[in-house]
Amino acid sequence: DTAVSQTPKYLVTQMGNDKSIKCEQNLGHDTMYWYKQDSKKFLKIMFSYNNKELIINETVPNRFSPKSPDKAHLNLHINSLELGDSAVYFCASRYQGNNSPLHFGNGTRLTVT
Amino acid sequence: AQSVTQLDSQVPVFEEAPVELRCNYSSSVSVYLFWYVQYPNQGLQLLLKYLSGSTLVKGINGFEAEFNKSQTSFHLRKPSVHISDTAEYFCAVSEDSWGKLQFGAGTQVVVTP
Repeated sequence: DTAVSQTPKYLVTQMGNDKSIKCEQNLGHDTMYWYKQDSKKFLKIMFSYNNKELIINETVPNRFSPKSPDKAHLNLHINSLELGDSAVYFCASRYQGNNSPLHFGNGTRLTVT
Repeated sequence: AQSVTQLDSQVPVFEEAPVELRCNYSSSVSVYLFWYVQYPNQGLQLLLKYLSGSTLVKGINGFEAEFNKSQTSFHLRKPSVHISDTAEYFCAVSEDSWGKLQFGAGTQVVVTP
């Protein structure tokens, strides 16, 4: 199936740990994103990569580090996890330009205890 | 800077009744407008988009929206809802071609028999 897939779907971890979330898209898109959805369902963009280059970097703690090994993958590594990092993280992708729509993954629910 | 306001946080509606979800935006430049739907425990799915041209936009699942530039609105409508339309609906606006979407806070639609 063509899709944006994220792993893991659920992630429960303790404060202070380091964790990664992986994202892959097989839609041939050239631009990928990470969005954070908080407990009130508010969605906010975190990062975007276009052809492995960082193009959007919102005000996000530097404990969050995206990595794009190729244009089909965009991973998110989080160091020293804090309680406030608990959220659902969505990966998305699209063709850059012409405002083609975002295609979202199903999300990774991160719970920090 | 752009912003998006969804005026209703929750809209209860009976099955087969019409529904309208309100969305207003503010921006100093031309914008592109989107409606996304999020079913429980899933990612966001594009319902429809306005890029240019006709102000009445038809989307999937019988939804439509009308762009009103003078009122800076992009309200979503469906003439007859089904139980399966129960979901969270997000209005989003983009000013640029990089796909940086600003999302509204969402409107939860609950359809009851």
